[in-house]
Amino acid sequence: NAGVTQTPKFQVLKTGQSMTLQCAQDMNHNSMYWYRQDPGMGLRLIYYSASEGTTDKGEVPNGYNVSRLNKREFSLRLESAAPSQTSVYFCASNSWRGETQYFGPGTRLLVL
Amino acid sequence: GQQLNQSPQSMFIQEGEDVSMNCTSSSIFNTWLWYKQDPGEGPVLLIALYKAGELTSNGRLTAQFGITRKDSFLNISASIPSDVGIYFCAGYSGGSNYKLTFGKGTLLTVNP
Repeated sequence: NAGVTQTPKFQVLKTGQSMTLQCAQDMNHNSMYWYRQDPGMGLRLIYYSASEGTTDKGEVPNGYNVSRLNKREFSLRLESAAPSQTSVYFCASNSWRGETQYFGPGTRLLVL
Repeated sequence: GQQLNQSPQSMFIQEGEDVSMNCTSSSIFNTWLWYKQDPGEGPVLLIALYKAGELTSNGRLTAQFGITRKDSFLNISASIPSDVGIYFCAGYSGGSNYKLTFGKGTLLTVNP
């Protein structure tokens, strides 16, 4: 039981390049979330998926898109990366008790 | 939107000391959660509180859900070096999307 997994762990992009961050959970959770973490800013919600087949914007969605591929997988795409998107990205999923979220290990992204 | 005020922002203590941190809000929450983030890792759930007035322990950690439902505190007794990290509070106010509001974290440093 791996919990929440994320790939890649590290990535360096040039401005304008695109990439997809992958997230998967094996706990049969319904809801999944993408956050970014920046120094002094805490965790900010980018997008979430309350259930398979639905996605909604969070606090900072601009420059990102998401896909809930199936119940297990929720991906985050940067179509044209910008230096302001340099951050640590965390995926999370909730438990049967919906408000308790469990986090992946994170993807560290540097955009030059 | 809702905000959580977490204090202190940082603490530097000696091994063996007790630690206390808290979160306050102008809004009511139905659930309070406390997470710890080790350097380079994702947040890990420490304690979840589901009822006003609830006091819950997890080893040397004790957390309480405030009676007014607008605050929560976390105590760590007899700190040890591995307690180092960032501690986050999070609140859930309701809704089927299960979105959480996070505090900005307390950075704890323990001097051996």
